[in-house]
Amino acid sequence: DAKTTQPNSMESNEEEPVHLPCNHSTISGTDYIHWYRQLPSQGPEYVIHGLTSNVNNRMASLAIAEDRKSSTLILHRATLRDAAVYYCILRDRRSQGNLIFGKGTKLSVKP
Amino acid sequence: ETGVTQTPRHLVMGMTNKKSLKCEQHLGHNAMYWYKQSAKKPLELMFVYNFKEQTENNSVPSRFSPECPNSSHLFLHLHTLQPEDSALYLCASSQDGTRNTEAFFGQGTRLTVV
Repeated sequence: DAKTTQPNSMESNEEEPVHLPCNHSTISGTDYIHWYRQLPSQGPEYVIHGLTSNVNNRMASLAIAEDRKSSTLILHRATLRDAAVYYCILRDRRSQGNLIFGKGTKLSVKP
Repeated sequence: ETGVTQTPRHLVMGMTNKKSLKCEQHLGHNAMYWYKQSAKKPLELMFVYNFKEQTENNSVPSRFSPECPNSSHLFLHLHTLQPEDSALYLCASSQDGTRNTEAFFGQGTRLTVV
């Protein structure tokens, strides 16, 4: 199974941009890169996903390296509500695309 | 509100009890999932159902028994659990089981086995 590597934790200041990195050097050609986040005492929620091109939505942007071996989730202006654990996940075609979670990055946002 | 509802939100049960967790979605999704989240551990995928058929069982002990009577409902039947089974149990659904569809999660059932 393709694996991802993320920093255990990161800190950000409120209203500043946040760049959350993810390494996935063993990604296969048709693996999608998904990001989810889990706020305290809640289930995970979808943030964004992509395959090759950079993606933008109302929550965040996803920048994917040209060789697809890494990606970065960008929160343009962090708010206190963005404090959560962020998971970078590859949808593995051999497991019918199941979401397999790692440890993620715990993001703290300081006022 | 994600559209995926889990009941109960909290459950305390003895090791000899039998209980069931319920998950319901009216998003028109065809894939449903059970995950377990223990303290300070990543989410563990337990079971996957696609179009009411179980497609994945990640070596889950038989004291956990899933049931998917239709595409909108998923149950997890529990019996003779152990204290180490105490965890947050999360249900999710997605349009189907392919790798480019997003999953929606419920808020979970916090289970305590005493």
